[in-house]
Amino acid sequence: AQSVTQLDSHVSVSEGTPVLLRCNYSSSYSPSLFWYVQHPNKGLQLLLKYTSAATLVKGINGFEAEFKKSETSFHLTKPSAHMSDAAEYFCVVSDQGYSTLTFGKGTMLLVSP
Amino acid sequence: NAGVTQTPKFQVLKTGQSMTLQCAQDMNHEYMSWYRQDPGMGLRLIHYSVGAGITDQGEVPNGYNVSRSTTEDFPLRLLSAAPSQTSVYFCASSYLSGTYEQYFGPGTRLTVT
Repeated sequence: AQSVTQLDSHVSVSEGTPVLLRCNYSSSYSPSLFWYVQHPNKGLQLLLKYTSAATLVKGINGFEAEFKKSETSFHLTKPSAHMSDAAEYFCVVSDQGYSTLTFGKGTMLLVSP
Repeated sequence: NAGVTQTPKFQVLKTGQSMTLQCAQDMNHEYMSWYRQDPGMGLRLIHYSVGAGITDQGEVPNGYNVSRSTTEDFPLRLLSAAPSQTSVYFCASSYLSGTYEQYFGPGTRLTVT
């Protein structure tokens, strides 16, 4: 069975400072891992994905994540936050033979001027 | 490509009423799914389909029916709406192989009074 834990329900940063959103996962197989972003009253947009190629994955808008198998983690980072990054972020795991995703409960990123 | 489309965007129902949420995709994806999003719960899978004529239950299927007569369409039916079904509903689709990246529709916000 697969599961995912987002360690923080809310993260607050100042504009221009680094962002770290933490995610741990549990999987019986070699998982695919994703980060999705949801801006207020919008649908979900894929930020980046890990699918057993490079462990450091670069996504859109300057975000990146590192897959660490030994720590079962897939933390999302960005060197410098922008006001437009304020949104809810979901860590997602899939280890099924077809596309069944398990979502974390989400981390709300708040960015202050 | 329009991607994944959902109608309606908003709906208010009275308890006991029935309705169908529409979902369509134009990417020739085999896999389609319905999720509901509730505050603090992330997204939970209601039903999914791996092709025309094939559907299966997800984590929270009670009170919902689905069918898949074509590759493009995957409607979600609420048979007798209850206040507990007040939620935001997202449809998603993907290929059955590859990276399992799912594409999401814009969502339907449903309120049951």
